Amino acid sequence: GAGVSQSPSNKVTEKGKDVELRCDPISGHTALYWYRQSLGQGLEFLIYFQGNSAPDKSGLPSDRFSAERTGGSVSTLTIQRTQQEDSAVYLCASSRSAGRGQPQHFGDGTRLSIL
Amino acid sequence: DQQVKQNSPSLSVQEGRISILNCDYTNSMFDYFLWYKKYPAEGPTFLISISSIKDKNEDGRFTVFLNKSAKHLSLHIVPSQPGDSAVYFCAASEEGAQKLVFGQGTRLTINP
Repeated sequence: GAGVSQSPSNKVTEKGKDVELRCDPISGHTALYWYRQSLGQGLEFLIYFQGNSAPDKSGLPSDRFSAERTGGSVSTLTIQRTQQEDSAVYLCASSRSAGRGQPQHFGDGTRLSIL
Repeated sequence: DQQVKQNSPSLSVQEGRISILNCDYTNSMFDYFLWYKKYPAEGPTFLISISSIKDKNEDGRFTVFLNKSAKHLSLHIVPSQPGDSAVYFCAASEEGAQKLVFGQGTRLTINP
């Protein structure tokens, strides 16, 4: 498709389990971002990838969170030993480059619910 | 610490009138500002942006105003249409940084 694709769209899992969320950016976009939106809150930055540069991980809330981007395209966000406070909508975005005039295009998100 | 604040959780406007959404920020290093629109169960969609070297940017029915001294920006939609009903987020970034800092959002409802 033409837009950012995220899977799964919904994920329900038990506390303590690991989860993997996938993001397929727009073809040709070199920059990729992960955000999360907790209930009633704005989007919170998690991590940013640009080409082959080291990612900006400054927004990851704990060491249970990690992300990788293979081949400069698809990205996976992994949450280990999930906690109830991890429940949120996880949004991925991509942009053509890291330039300031390049808006970020978002996917529809993965709604994660931790029981 | 909330660096970008949208103090109105909701706003209701009559169709055809002007909608004004407000956003305040505290970080003086922010120099690029954006507005996004979000429908339920969809990702945010980029609307309009403004650089700190400007005080106004216009795109069709949408105009963003920036008041740097007051650390305040606003989005004007005129005339408002039913399809404009959505949650609107303002976002900001610092020079040299790519991450966006978002406000909490304002739910806009356009009444027929």
